[in-house]
Amino acid sequence: EIVLTQSPATLSLSPGERATLSCRASHSVSDYLAWYQQKPGQAPRLLIFDASNRATGIPARFSGSGSGTDFTLTISSLEPEDFAVYYCQQRNNWPLSFGGGTKVEIK
Amino acid sequence: EVQLVESGGGLVHPGRSLRLSCAASGFTFDDYAMHWVRQTPGKGLEWVSGIDWNSGTKGYAESMQGRFTISRDNAKNSLYLQMNSLTLDDTALYYCSKGPFRGWTHNYFDSWGQGTLVTVSS
Repeated sequence: EIVLTQSPATLSLSPGERATLSCRASHSVSDYLAWYQQKPGQAPRLLIFDASNRATGIPARFSGSGSGTDFTLTISSLEPEDFAVYYCQQRNNWPLSFGGGTKVEIK
Repeated sequence: EVQLVESGGGLVHPGRSLRLSCAASGFTFDDYAMHWVRQTPGKGLEWVSGIDWNSGTKGYAESMQGRFTISRDNAKNSLYLQMNSLTLDDTALYYCSKGPFRGWTHNYFDSWGQGTLVTVSS
C-alpha cells in the first residue's frame, strides 16, 4: 500500500500570504496525485488531479506540482475561504489511498 | 450539477448489518465508476469500495473484503453498499463519490455527497 505523508500538519498563515503544502509518497505514484479541500461540516472537494490539473471551477490561485514521490500544493494568495483542511490522494496503485491532511488556519 | 445523496446510516450493534444507498443526478450515471469513501477522526479518509460503470468489476479495501458488497442499479441511478458483520472500527461518515472514468481502479473522486453517518455501538 502506498503511504502518503503530508506536511506540515498545521500551517498558520494570514490572508494574502502564500501557502505551500507537501505530500510525500512511500513509492512512486507517477503523476497520479490529487488534492482535495475540506471545510468543516462539508465533503471534500476536488481541487487538483494528476498532480497539476485544476478541476472545474477551481481558482487559478491553486496550483499543483511534482511527480514520483514529492508533490506540492500552492495557494498563491490566501483568501478567507481557503482556510480549511487539504488532503492528497494517489490513484497509481491499489488500494487508493489518502494522506492525513494539512490544516491551513488563520494566524 | 452533479448531486449525490446518501442515506441509510444509523446506529447499529456490532455484528449486525446495514445497507447504504446513494441517489445520483445531474450526470449520466452509467458512464462512470462510483465509490464509497469513509472518514473518521482517527483514520482520516479511507477508500472503501469501487464499482465500474456496468458492475463488471468491483474492488474493496482489504479490511472490508468479504464483509461489504458494493452494487449499483443504473436504471435507478443508484449506488449501494451492503455492510455485514459490522465492527466498532466501521464507525464513520460514509461518502458516495464519483470517479472520472468508466473503470474504478485508478480513480480520483470528482464529486462527493454529503455523507451518511454509521455508528457501530453496543
